[in-house]
Amino acid sequence: ETGVTQTPRHLVMGMTNKKSLKCEQHLGHNAMYWYKQSAKKPLELMFVYSLEERVENNSVPSRFSPECPNSSHLFLHLHTLQPEDSALYLCASSQWGAGELFFGEGSRLTVL
Amino acid sequence: GQQVMQIPQYQHVQEGEDFTTYCNSSTTLSNIQWYKQRPGGHPVFLIQLVKSGEVKKQKRLTFQFGEAKKNSSLHITATQTTDVGTYFCAGSEENFGNEKLTFGTGTRLTIIP
Repeated sequence: ETGVTQTPRHLVMGMTNKKSLKCEQHLGHNAMYWYKQSAKKPLELMFVYSLEERVENNSVPSRFSPECPNSSHLFLHLHTLQPEDSALYLCASSQWGAGELFFGEGSRLTVL
Repeated sequence: GQQVMQIPQYQHVQEGEDFTTYCNSSTTLSNIQWYKQRPGGHPVFLIQLVKSGEVKKQKRLTFQFGEAKKNSSLHITATQTTDVGTYFCAGSEENFGNEKLTFGTGTRLTIIP
């Protein structure tokens, strides 16, 4: 139990599907993050939210659309993905600034 | 942009041997964090170093932050099978926090019993 819960844990989708990943944190943090972890690359920061406002978008393709309705919930909406988008998508939370990131267990995405 | 490299990429050691992974940044860091990811798991925070030349210990693990705040190391003494996993360093550029945290490439440690 990490305090950060991600659903679904596994997702298989076609290139024309639309799906969403959900993340919920129970730690009272005010910053949330989406990271992508693929086999041949280090953890890549995709999006950062502080108090529901997007702070950083590391040049992520528009087929990934984040949503942060409140400080406890974070979504990643997916549409018209490519096979190379198959990866483990990790959500994390922290207090804003520096300090420990708490990761969820991840959503393993496979795009066919 | 900022790059954080780790060496070695893989390390296989006999149980009981020591292990070290090195982390090098292309830019000066405000802080360095270390994470461990067990096979099939998610990254778990180990420690954060902030000061130039800082050394911290956690039981058999010793963490160092370089004087120039551009490199760091993690040393494990007398490895055990529970140490198996991938160790990542992560650093933020000076004057930035987690919003610009860049993870290293990781070192995967396997233990031969």
